[in-house]
Amino acid sequence: GENVEQHPSTLSVQEGDSAVIKCTYSDSASNYFPWYKQELGKGPQLIIDIRSNVGEKKDQRIAVTLNKTAKHFSLHITETQPEDSAVYFCAASSRQAGTALIFGKGTTLSVSS
Amino acid sequence: GAGVSQSPSNKVTEKGKDVELRCDPISGHTALYWYRQRLGQGLEFLIYFQGNSAPDKSGLPSDRFSAERTGESVSTLTIQRTQQEDSAVYLCASATNGADRVFGEGSRLTVL
Repeated sequence: GENVEQHPSTLSVQEGDSAVIKCTYSDSASNYFPWYKQELGKGPQLIIDIRSNVGEKKDQRIAVTLNKTAKHFSLHITETQPEDSAVYFCAASSRQAGTALIFGKGTTLSVSS
Repeated sequence: GAGVSQSPSNKVTEKGKDVELRCDPISGHTALYWYRQRLGQGLEFLIYFQGNSAPDKSGLPSDRFSAERTGESVSTLTIQRTQQEDSAVYLCASATNGADRVFGEGSRLTVL
């Protein structure tokens, strides 16, 4: 089955710096890669996703890249702000719905001002 | 409602007791998921309901865990004879066709 590894487990940056979180996956059939942000005491919230037919996707300060050959994908946050502080999870699946979505263990991002 | 609602938000119980956790999905969402999140860990899939189809129970860790859903509405996750290793946040999510999961805020279970 699918296995998703996420690094680093913790990341501390200064406000305004960039943050990069990396994930690798094992199942070459996976083609849906969402990223979730979880604030303290809240449920995870989808912030961006990418599918295997594109290599990069951007949404304002957030971008995700995908390398299907190497089976890895990354989240990039530019111009970080204190409100970006949260736990970020990557996930991989062969489809959006259903049970196949496998999550990484999360990255705790701390942005200090 | 506007979002996925879970109750209770916090539950402390003694080892060996049964607990019930409730999830009210977003109206019209046909899919409903339960996940377990242990401290410092990612989300672990437990069970998936899709419309009137038989649920996918492949993630339930033992026969002490069960879940029910009435049609496309409320779901209840039941844990019998709780153990300390059951302590976790239990997250519910619902989804409609073509859209991603919307998560509730979770029920934090502590088994003493």
